[in-house]
Amino acid sequence: DGGITQSPKYLFRKEGQNVTLSCEQNLNHDAMYWYRQDPGQGLRLIYYSQIVNDFQKGDIAEGYSVSREKKESFPLTVTSAQKNPTAFYLCASSPTFDSYEQYFGPGTRLTVT
Amino acid sequence: EDKVVQSPLSLVVHEGDTVTLNCSYEVTNFRSLLWYKQEKKAPTFLFMLTSSGIEKKSGRLSSILDKKELFSILNITATQTGDSAVYLCAVPHGSSNTGKLIFGQGTTLQVKP
Repeated sequence: DGGITQSPKYLFRKEGQNVTLSCEQNLNHDAMYWYRQDPGQGLRLIYYSQIVNDFQKGDIAEGYSVSREKKESFPLTVTSAQKNPTAFYLCASSPTFDSYEQYFGPGTRLTVT
Repeated sequence: EDKVVQSPLSLVVHEGDTVTLNCSYEVTNFRSLLWYKQEKKAPTFLFMLTSSGIEKKSGRLSSILDKKELFSILNITATQTGDSAVYLCAVPHGSSNTGKLIFGQGTTLQVKP
């Protein structure tokens, strides 16, 4: 089955630790995205990648880093510099960089205490 | 600054009712407007609208765009408990075609039996 997988579903970390969230897609999509969702708010774009080996900052990139070494993988690292890391993180992909219909993974809920 | 505003933020109805969700936007270089349904985890795509006045329909759901007044509505007729979800509206933003979307806060719909 084609789709996007994110792991783990739930993640708990202590303040000051970096943590990496996994996102894998087997849809052969060029573009991938990371969003953050807080209660009562819509999705906010953290980073996006239009093609392998390239990525760009989104609207709230501070405290986050990404890599895109393989087409199917777009991991997100939440660093200790991110002031409010507790949130629901969603990964998405789209066939090409200019197609707006995005397909979402099931998300990872990160709790930092 | 580009923005998307949805209303109401939450709505409680009974099965069989008809609901109308609103999405207004301010964005430079408008290209399209998208609706997503988010049940628990991953948002799923509903509609993409690009032309004003043309209704998109899928079963009991329909949506229409008004590019003059800068808004879209999502109608759900004969609601069912399975329609309970967060409904998200999004528009592409930025000066070039990058796939970047800006999302509204979402409307949380609860349908009671």
